[in-house]
Amino acid sequence: DAGVTQSPTHLIKTRGQQVTLRCSPKSGHDTVSWYQQALGQGPQFIFQYYEEEERQRGNFPDRFSGHQFPNYSSELNVNALLLGDSALYLCASYGGGEQYFGPGTRLTVT
Amino acid sequence: AQSVSQHNHHVILSEAASLELGCNYSYGGTVNLFWYVQYPGQHLQLLLKYFSGDPLVKGIKGFEAEFIKSKFSFNLRKPSVQWSDTAEYFCAVNLNTGTASKLTFGTGTRLQVTL
Repeated sequence: DAGVTQSPTHLIKTRGQQVTLRCSPKSGHDTVSWYQQALGQGPQFIFQYYEEEERQRGNFPDRFSGHQFPNYSSELNVNALLLGDSALYLCASYGGGEQYFGPGTRLTVT
Repeated sequence: AQSVSQHNHHVILSEAASLELGCNYSYGGTVNLFWYVQYPGQHLQLLLKYFSGDPLVKGIKGFEAEFIKSKFSFNLRKPSVQWSDTAEYFCAVNLNTGTASKLTFGTGTRLQVTL
């Protein structure tokens, strides 16, 4: 049983560009959350998707948007990238009362 | 808004020493509590969780944590650490709503175990 998978593993972008990160949840899980983990910090909640709709949102600007597909996979889009968006982006899927995390995508903005 | 505080940012212990990492949260309602571990180069893994019942919970790899409601604390303990316990440890909390509510994490404690 594959766990939560994310792609790509690493990404380097330039300020002002746009990026799309992808996540496939653990088999049987229909709820996906995204977190941003800056260096030396704990993960910060961005938003959560369930039934293809955004259900909860953290304190992130509208430049951060997402989507969930009918197969429960999800995308995180970030527009107009800033240097401060450099971080590890984690996807988590929910099942059995707990959230399972993927390995993350390391985004570097130069 | 709920918040989580981890007061130990970097802890260095010798193998076989006992470990206690502090975690306090601020929220007056019913919460679920978690400890996650992030080994170097690996993804976040759940060590243990508390939803209700016995406030002393046991997790994987010999870790345990005690929920003290009056102190809003959920400290992580291990009687004897091993070199392989070197990792970053995160305390997290979410609302006990029965659904997947967002996790609020502390800033983490980096544990370094020396031989």
